[in-house]
Amino acid sequence: AQKVTQAQTEISVVEKEDVTLDCVYETRDTTYYLFWYKQPPSGELVFLIRRNSFDEQNEISGRYSWNFQKSTSSFNFTITASQVVDSAVYFCALSGARTGNNRKLIWGLGTSLAVNP
Amino acid sequence: DADVTQTPRNRITKTGKRIMLECSQTKGHDRMYWYRQDPGLGLRLIYYSFDVKDINKGEISDGYSVSRQAQAKFSLSLESAIPNQTALYFCATSGEVKGTEQFFGPGTRLTVL
Repeated sequence: AQKVTQAQTEISVVEKEDVTLDCVYETRDTTYYLFWYKQPPSGELVFLIRRNSFDEQNEISGRYSWNFQKSTSSFNFTITASQVVDSAVYFCALSGARTGNNRKLIWGLGTSLAVNP
Repeated sequence: DADVTQTPRNRITKTGKRIMLECSQTKGHDRMYWYRQDPGLGLRLIYYSFDVKDINKGEISDGYSVSRQAQAKFSLSLESAIPNQTALYFCATSGEVKGTEQFFGPGTRLTVL
């Protein structure tokens, strides 16, 4: 069975702090895909990043960075110098590549991030 | 214009009423999905469709039905709404490539009194 765990339900930081959101996944597929989405207070779901299991390079996009470690089955998301606009719920998701597992995304329950001024 | 649209955006209805939520997309995707979101429960898949003739139940399909009228349209119906169906409903689409991301509509906030 596939599973995504976001152990941090809520995080509160002060603006300009760095914050890391944890995501741990379980899958038996050798090829799989990991995703992060952002849901700001307005409610829409915004795609942030996709990572293939065979590409372990970390990625940086502005203040956002993602650390993918197959050895620990983790795909963590770091926001550097957080801003109030980063306040949102962040979801991690997984899709396997095998037939059957590739038909849908498996979602974590989300981490609610509050960045206070 | 938005690639994935949902109507209505908000709806208040009474127990026992039939409700239809509609989703349209201009992304040209074959795959469409309906999710519901409840506080603390994340996103749960209700139904998904990989083309007009391929419709599948998700993890919480009881009390819901769907219709894929065309490649671009996927509607969700609550045949007899009940209060615990009060939630935020999302439609999503994706391409056929393995591991491709899903694109979401703005959501429909449904309240069943």
